[in-house]
Amino acid sequence: AQSVTQPDIHITVSEGASLELRCNYSYGATPYLFWYVQSPGQGLQLLLKYFSGDTLVQGIKGFEAEFKRSQSSFNLRKPSVHWSDAAEYFCAVGGKGGSEKLVFGKGTKLTVNP
Amino acid sequence: NAGVTQTPKFRILKIGQSMTLQCTQDMNHNYMYWYRQDPGMGLKLIYYSVGAGITDKGEVPNGYNVSRSTTEDFPLRLELAAPSQTSVYFCASTLGEGGRNEQFFGPGTRLTVL
Repeated sequence: AQSVTQPDIHITVSEGASLELRCNYSYGATPYLFWYVQSPGQGLQLLLKYFSGDTLVQGIKGFEAEFKRSQSSFNLRKPSVHWSDAAEYFCAVGGKGGSEKLVFGKGTKLTVNP
Repeated sequence: NAGVTQTPKFRILKIGQSMTLQCTQDMNHNYMYWYRQDPGMGLKLIYYSVGAGITDKGEVPNGYNVSRSTTEDFPLRLELAAPSQTSVYFCASTLGEGGRNEQFFGPGTRLTVL
């Protein structure tokens, strides 16, 4: 069964600083990988998705993520954080071959200091 | 398009009461999902449906029931509310398998059981 680990529960960065949120997954084959963002009091919104091809994936709001098969990781990055990026971020894994469900990590809460 | 709508937004129940959380989507999506979100625990799948008349259990189905009589609606029923069901509930939908495709989330229902 697939699983996702987000090692950092809470990260604080200053506005304008770079950001990297970590995600490690466990899956027996090539996974489908997702990053979702949840603003306070809102539902989740898809930032980006990886399913094949180029291992560096571009998403919305200036985010990108890199799939590293050897490390079973799919880390989310942003070169310069804005105050509006303060939110909770969830990594999720699905799979090829009849994958009806996603498994979510526990989330990383991002605080942005002015 | 309204996307995924959920009602109510907030609800307080007494132990032993029952209620139905409503979820409607207007995107003609065949897959629909119910999740619960508890602090620090990420999202846990309660039930899902791959089409009208077809439902299946997720990771945490105990204490809940669902039905899917139409493509648009996927209500979640709590029969005998317990304090352990205090949570935020999210409905989501997707066109095609949810493990491969973007899931669209509703704004959530915050439920407190006292």
